[in-house]
Amino acid sequence: DSGVTQTPKHLITATGQRVTLRCSPRSGDLSVYWYQQSLDQGLQFLIQYYNGEERAKGNILERFSAQQFPDLHSELNLSSLELGDSALYFCASSALAGTVTDTQYFGPGTRLTVL
Amino acid sequence: GDSVTQMEGPVTLSEEAFLTINCTYTATGYPSLFWYVQYPGEGLQLLLKATKADDKGSNKGFEATYRKETTSFHLEKGSVQVSDSAVYFCALTGTSYDKVIFGPGTSLSVIP
Repeated sequence: DSGVTQTPKHLITATGQRVTLRCSPRSGDLSVYWYQQSLDQGLQFLIQYYNGEERAKGNILERFSAQQFPDLHSELNLSSLELGDSALYFCASSALAGTVTDTQYFGPGTRLTVL
Repeated sequence: GDSVTQMEGPVTLSEEAFLTINCTYTATGYPSLFWYVQYPGEGLQLLLKATKADDKGSNKGFEATYRKETTSFHLEKGSVQVSDSAVYFCALTGTSYDKVIFGPGTSLSVIP
């Protein structure tokens, strides 16, 4: 158990809908990262938050947004969903903002299915 | 940009066989290197890591050495078990250490 929790475990929704994925980092970790794992794209970094502020952005679509709250949990919002958004979404956390010795620990993921 | 290449799978081995999964990387800075493992139906688990050249990461019988001269971080285990069946991802931190860049993953099946 990495100490990172994600809810829900599974999510099934329809095209055009909006969903929110939730992540709680390990106790004491200040950074949260979101990744998408799909069959065709592999594991892709989406976005990082550090202590409530956006710090780095990867291949995140404009339909997607995220935030980190004062208690350090994070939410990933996916809107106007398309079939191609079906994937496993991972959250990871690390102690710092990202240094050579920092390690990211991953949650169990949320499997999103868009019908 | 930074990238990771690893051997294509699937790899099928008999129990107690020797395992090597090759991984090479391209990076402009001095990344940290990782192996993550994903068991069927589960999330990613950190298997081992190395943060500088010539460091050896090890865990659960798996080892990998950070080779800067060959830009490699090959995963090895002397005797695999059925329970090692999983997908293995080689990864590195981006240049500014703000994200992890993953290889495509190598699926390993160990048969009794």
